[in-house]
Amino acid sequence: GQSLEQPSEVTAVEGAIVQINCTYQTSGFYGLSWYQQHDGGAPTFLSYNALDGLEETGRFSSFLSRSDSYGYLLLQELQMKDSASYFCAPRGYNKLIFGAGTRLAVHP
Amino acid sequence: DTEVTQTPKHLVMGMTNKKSLKCEQHMGHRAMYWYKQKAKKPPELMFVYSYEKLSINESVPSRFSPECPNSSLLNLHLHALQPEDSALYLCASSSPGTGKETQYFGPGTRLLVL
Repeated sequence: GQSLEQPSEVTAVEGAIVQINCTYQTSGFYGLSWYQQHDGGAPTFLSYNALDGLEETGRFSSFLSRSDSYGYLLLQELQMKDSASYFCAPRGYNKLIFGAGTRLAVHP
Repeated sequence: DTEVTQTPKHLVMGMTNKKSLKCEQHMGHRAMYWYKQKAKKPPELMFVYSYEKLSINESVPSRFSPECPNSSLLNLHLHALQPEDSALYLCASSSPGTGKETQYFGPGTRLLVL
């Protein structure tokens, strides 16, 4: 079977650091993607890990441990515009499987 | 050009109507996807086309009929929909075999079935 777990909501203040965890159980795992979606908008790609370790893209970093079926998205120097939903999405053959999403609220 | 366009932006239809959603990309991507997204839920995969051939149908009811006329276009034909089909319909595209296979999403069509 397939299962994905990520926290439903996270709250933080501007300038802080937030980590959104994702544990997964899927068949045919190729890598872990992260997408951001603002209310009323479309999902946009943030990061992808095919191999174990850390990938850094500006203020955002993503980590993957295949042996633990675990990954996380790290957001640094939070800004108000980072308030959005964040989805972990394991990549299977020819498709992504989206987690339920984590709503991040950034406060002043 | 990293844009996926979708038309129409909004659509209201009755349960006996037939309508079509259109998606277009000019990034040379050879994989295209239809997703359905309800409010406060994640996108749910419906169909995947790879090199203009249907490769995945996630057990979608036959009232949804996808079509890929060429490598840039993807349509979703709608017929006899139910009110519970009201949702945001998202199209995405990606370049298969590149490793990351980042999916680029269009802005979506917001569908209301009355």
